[in-house]
Amino acid sequence: NAGVTQTPKFRVLKTGQSMTLLCAQDMNHEYMYWYRQDPGMGLRLIHYSVGEGTTAKGEVPDGYNVSRLKKQNFLLGLESAAPSQTSVYFCASKVGTGELFFGEGSRLTVL
Amino acid sequence: QKEVEQDPGPLSVPEGAIVSLNCTYSNSAFQYFMWYRQYSRKGPELLMYTYSSGNKEDGRFTAQVDKSSKYISLFIRDSQPSDSATYLCAMRAMDTGRRALTFGSGTRLQVQP
Repeated sequence: NAGVTQTPKFRVLKTGQSMTLLCAQDMNHEYMYWYRQDPGMGLRLIHYSVGEGTTAKGEVPDGYNVSRLKKQNFLLGLESAAPSQTSVYFCASKVGTGELFFGEGSRLTVL
Repeated sequence: QKEVEQDPGPLSVPEGAIVSLNCTYSNSAFQYFMWYRQYSRKGPELLMYTYSSGNKEDGRFTAQVDKSSKYISLFIRDSQPSDSATYLCAMRAMDTGRRALTFGSGTRLQVQP
């Protein structure tokens, strides 16, 4: 049972480049989330989805877009990467009021 | 001011010590309180889950919630080097559960053998 899988695990981008982070979960969870984790800031919610075809903004959505075309996948896109988006990105999923399961993270560096 | 405040540490203790980790919060609507453990270069994992005020014990771990003071704690007894990790508190209001959790910034704990 893989749980929550994030790809890629590491990526280096130049300012202005675009990329997509993929999150896949095999637990049939309805809710999926993208967080970023920065030193001293904890986990901050970027976007989330409460079901296939739906997305909503979180605390820090600017500069990111998301899509949930399939229930098991939640994609996070950076249209024009900036150094301020250097961070560790975590995807998480859950069902109802249950436990939040996290992936192992994707480390992004923007030069 | 952040909704959830947590001392970042690092906190360094000898093996066998009792560890106390704490968070304060400002939103009185929070009803569900959690502690996550995060090992280096890994995702957070749920450690303890409590609802409203009171204590909950699970092995060497005890979670306490004092809603009147807006203060939660995690106690670790007989700490082990394997407890070395970052501990994140998290909380949310009573709702359908669809909203994500609000996290503290995490406290890094080092247990020295």
